[in-house]
Amino acid sequence: DTGVSQDPRHKITKRGQNVTFRCDPISEHNRLYWYRQTLGQGPEFLTYFQNEAQLEKSRLLSDRFSAERPKGSFSTLEIQRTEQGDSAMYLCASSLTRDAPGNIQYFGAGTRLSVL
Amino acid sequence: GEDVEQSLFLSVREGDSSVINCTYTDSSSTYLYWYKQEPGAGLQLLTYIFSNMDMKQDQRLTVLLNKKDKHLSLRIADTQTGDSAIYFCAEASRSGGSNYKLTFGKGTLLTVNP
Repeated sequence: DTGVSQDPRHKITKRGQNVTFRCDPISEHNRLYWYRQTLGQGPEFLTYFQNEAQLEKSRLLSDRFSAERPKGSFSTLEIQRTEQGDSAMYLCASSLTRDAPGNIQYFGAGTRLSVL
Repeated sequence: GEDVEQSLFLSVREGDSSVINCTYTDSSSTYLYWYKQEPGAGLQLLTYIFSNMDMKQDQRLTVLLNKKDKHLSLRIADTQTGDSAIYFCAEASRSGGSNYKLTFGKGTLLTVNP
């Protein structure tokens, strides 16, 4: 068990470019979450998958954001036409439904995005 | 809606106890968590408590929950310099079927002075 893995760790891009991040959850974890953390704030929920199904999306997830989990294992988060306000740490977490208690979420180290 | 509030800063001397406080608003919260974040790193789960418990102890960590006042605290005994980090309180509430969505506070920066 290597934990939740995120790639890349850092991404610098120019405004208007598209970026894609990858998250590999803990193996056998069927739930996967994306959060966004800006400086001085706690993580904010973006979206959630159970297996390959995207079951919930936050209002924070504008139409420039899309997330996929095609085979129910790794997930990608794409941001199109990046804006400076998208600069943040993007965190991925995973959990196992049958885990007790309460669906403990384990976090990756995050991808830090800087939009110039 | 859910809201979680924490004091932003705490400074203690090495060897003293640290107490980090948190208040939450969602009365339907089922579980409450404490996460630790070191600079440039992700979140590490420290401990959690069921909403029907009022205390949990785990080695140097003690969590107290006052459900009536919606107040949660984390006590770290014998605080060490390695405990310096940002500590996040989070509540889990049911959201859309069986999903437990986490709502985090802004975090408390703990500084441990030698």
